[in-house]
Amino acid sequence: QLHLQESGPRLVKSSETLSLTCSVSGGSITNSNYYWGWIRQPPGGGLQWIGFISYTGINYYNPSLMGRGTIIIDSSKRQFSLKLSSVTAADTALYFCVRYSGEAYYFDSWGQGTLVAVSS
Amino acid sequence: QSVLTQPPSASGTPGQRVIISCSGSSSNIGSNTVNWYQEVPGTAPKLLIYSDNRRPSGVPDRFSGSKSGTSASLAISGLQSEDETDYYCAAWDDSLNGHYVFGTGTKVTVL
Repeated sequence: QLHLQESGPRLVKSSETLSLTCSVSGGSITNSNYYWGWIRQPPGGGLQWIGFISYTGINYYNPSLMGRGTIIIDSSKRQFSLKLSSVTAADTALYFCVRYSGEAYYFDSWGQGTLVAVSS
Repeated sequence: QSVLTQPPSASGTPGQRVIISCSGSSSNIGSNTVNWYQEVPGTAPKLLIYSDNRRPSGVPDRFSGSKSGTSASLAISGLQSEDETDYYCAAWDDSLNGHYVFGTGTKVTVL
């Protein structure tokens, strides 16, 4: 069974870059039928899709992020990562790494989530 | 970014039927399938319904989904205390080069 695990700093300073990594086990990261991405949830708020990328490099991002987000895959390490630049307090959230099925059109696997706070 | 609109809250007594609506547009619900997720705050959401009305294995048949035009609904029949949590609809949106959108979320309370 696929397992996703987030890792990275829990505290980021305002205006700096938030960096998170998701480690994949129990399944292949090179399957072209899936996309690998991130979803976040601010404290007391709703779910917000950040973006995802396929192994072949097809990527999509939330337009509301105004180009601040980048997701890359490192298949040799069986990991994918998120970089979110110029963070503000509004980026404080619980961040989930996810797998999206490009055939079934839903998120079929989730990490447990990691809380990242942006400090001033 | 487009957004799908849900009522902030819904409630019912044990055994009742509760329906949660999800309103979108022609670029999302109107042209793509809808999924529903159940989330206990602070934990990873669980897929309840996919492709508008299909249940993954293990999801009780008390949960059902439907779609008409640019709106979708999740129905919970035989409401149980463990159903008290948050629910989100979601769909792909074809506008702005394509992006995924979630609903605003509905908190279900079992009275």
